[in-house]
Amino acid sequence: VQLVESGGGVVQPGRSLRLSCAASGFTFSTYGMHWVRQAPGKGLEWVASIWYDGSNTYYADSVKGRFTISRDNSKNTLSLQMSSLRAEDTAVFYCAREKYGDFSVDYWGQGTLVTVSS
Amino acid sequence: QSALTQPASVSGSPGQSITISCTGTSSDIGHYNYVSWFQQHPGKAPKLMIYAVTNRPSGVSNRFSGSKSGNTASLSISGLQTEDEADYYCYSYTTASAYVFGTGTKVTVL
Repeated sequence: VQLVESGGGVVQPGRSLRLSCAASGFTFSTYGMHWVRQAPGKGLEWVASIWYDGSNTYYADSVKGRFTISRDNSKNTLSLQMSSLRAEDTAVFYCAREKYGDFSVDYWGQGTLVTVSS
Repeated sequence: QSALTQPASVSGSPGQSITISCTGTSSDIGHYNYVSWFQQHPGKAPKLMIYAVTNRPSGVSNRFSGSKSGNTASLSISGLQTEDEADYYCYSYTTASAYVFGTGTKVTVL
């Protein structure tokens, strides 16, 4: 199992950014997926999750209405579209695979850093 | 979606046992048996140590065990080793179809 995030960088407050996660080593289309973030020196925060087929999505209150999780099962890719970014969104963003049937996550990427700063 | 409450730090000497608590509510830990625990070393991605309250993934040492009573879950580490020094986070599914992490506990091996 391999998960590789990309798309992080420095972005100004109020702007948008799209993160991607390339999945390999497993049948991507049969697993739910999650985004989790960690602000510098802080704890982990669940951001969003999506069902295996993309039919259902769920968000933390802190990002609801600003972030959109999506997936392309034909390309084995998970995405996170982030808009109206704020300084408090600065964090390492991890994609993670849901552990089938157990409401947990079993594999993580190495993360991509998003810095929101003017 | 308030974070689950964990002690900020726990310490122990090599060979000793420690326990980390994780307190939630009747909408998360108290409602489901879907509590997980993750270990995170500095600069690394988290690693799943316990899922569904008591289950260990393949490859995780049996020195790690989990339990739950009411709205509180616990992670116990027996035979503490230097490599156990890390941050630990609990994680639970919630009745809002969301997930919540604990505040995190830094484990120090004295």
